[in-house]
Amino acid sequence: GAVVSQHPSWVICKSGTSVKIECRSLDFQATTMFWYRQFPKQSLMLMATSNEGSKATYEQGVEKDKFLINHASLTLSTLTVTSAHPEDSSFYICSASSGRRGTEAFFGQGTRLTVV
Amino acid sequence: QKEVEQDPGPLSVPEGAIVSLNCTYSNSAFQYFMWYRQYSRKGPELLMYTYSSGNKEDGRFTAQVDKSSKYISLFIRDSQPSDSATYLCASFSGAGSYQLTFGKGTKLSVIP
Repeated sequence: GAVVSQHPSWVICKSGTSVKIECRSLDFQATTMFWYRQFPKQSLMLMATSNEGSKATYEQGVEKDKFLINHASLTLSTLTVTSAHPEDSSFYICSASSGRRGTEAFFGQGTRLTVV
Repeated sequence: QKEVEQDPGPLSVPEGAIVSLNCTYSNSAFQYFMWYRQYSRKGPELLMYTYSSGNKEDGRFTAQVDKSSKYISLFIRDSQPSDSATYLCASFSGAGSYQLTFGKGTKLSVIP
């Protein structure tokens, strides 16, 4: 299957700082990328959907000024958590779809963010 | 009511047992049904998907969808300890959108 690389796999940061998470599709062009958040023993909650070259569409309740998403190319999307707070500590996962086979959205390995 | 409901378990079975994992959904527009396996602290990995109703088999795994009852199942035959993971069902309509709606996931442990 296609490969989606997410980096870093884990990060610890201080409250008030910003953290950037990268999501790359390594062997296909991702026209659409999705960002999810997963709390322990909970399902993946979609945060936002981004299409290359356009603004991300955020789900209800997700602060777009706090979770900045950039999808500048067909192989890279970034999620920046700004002014991080301990409540932002979670597992963040991206997925990418080429759009031709919407039945397969390939996931990155996830990023565990801990804000102290 | 969540659009996709899944019993979180945990579910423990002995090695070699047949495992049955199930989800229900409420959105009649859903056409594609996926099963993902997620190991601890890793991203989900697609196991298989089905379109509309019917069965699909891949090795020891069988996915089944009954659209009349809005019921999704995954069967694992001859379960192995390496099958121990959280299994997530997901659905989407496919009408120009690939936005997945996930169940909570069922944590499965296969005991040697």
